[in-house]
Amino acid sequence: SRVLTQPPSVSVAPGKTATITCGGDSIGSKNVHWYQQKPGEAPVLVLYHDTDRPSGIPERFSGSNSGNTATLTISRVEAGDEADYYCQVWDGYSDQYVFGSGTKVTV
Amino acid sequence: EVQLVESGGGLVQPGRSLRLACLGSGFTVGDYAMSWVRQAPGKGLEWIGFIRSNTYGGTTDYAASVKGRFTISRDESKSIAYLQMNSLKTEDTAMYFCTRDPVVVPPAESWAYYYYMDVWGKGTTVIVSS
Repeated sequence: SRVLTQPPSVSVAPGKTATITCGGDSIGSKNVHWYQQKPGEAPVLVLYHDTDRPSGIPERFSGSNSGNTATLTISRVEAGDEADYYCQVWDGYSDQYVFGSGTKVTV
Repeated sequence: EVQLVESGGGLVQPGRSLRLACLGSGFTVGDYAMSWVRQAPGKGLEWIGFIRSNTYGGTTDYAASVKGRFTISRDESKSIAYLQMNSLKTEDTAMYFCTRDPVVVPPAESWAYYYYMDVWGKGTTVIVSS
């Protein structure tokens, strides 16, 4: 089954840029979605279809996807961005979702 | 406002059953696929299954870890999706979330359809313990 690999943690200073990777075999051929989960809260969709932001998500959140790596970039990081971030794809071959292992972003 | 509210969680003994409910508001539940996702304490997110929209037959798919034990259904008249959990194990202990899942079907490549989760409920806690 498909496996998505994320770094366990990323540390970033306020105002700087955080980069979170999601590795997977030919993930560039998939549509990748990203979710933010703050402590004690439900996840929230922050990016879908690699680069699209739902209404209400700041432009500071952006994404890319090519080859074997998808990336979530958070620019001008704020204290409120501290959370766990999960990548996800839909595997059409098995008709199943696959989540990455999650990355804890510390500001 | 689109909203999902889960209920039905609690403490249950191993081997017993429990049914969770997910009440949807602000949209028609039959028009969307709906998933259940769980998160064990201190762990990551695990998709456990979903039910497709009426357009796609309302069929279901499940993760291997719960297939044959868990069943997802929907009552459109009540705007509720259900997760029936049988033969519960201690490792089923988790927070259970329901989600609304839009489907995207590329016009020229209908085979390349995909789902994502645009709305999440706050979750309900299930503890399986003797």
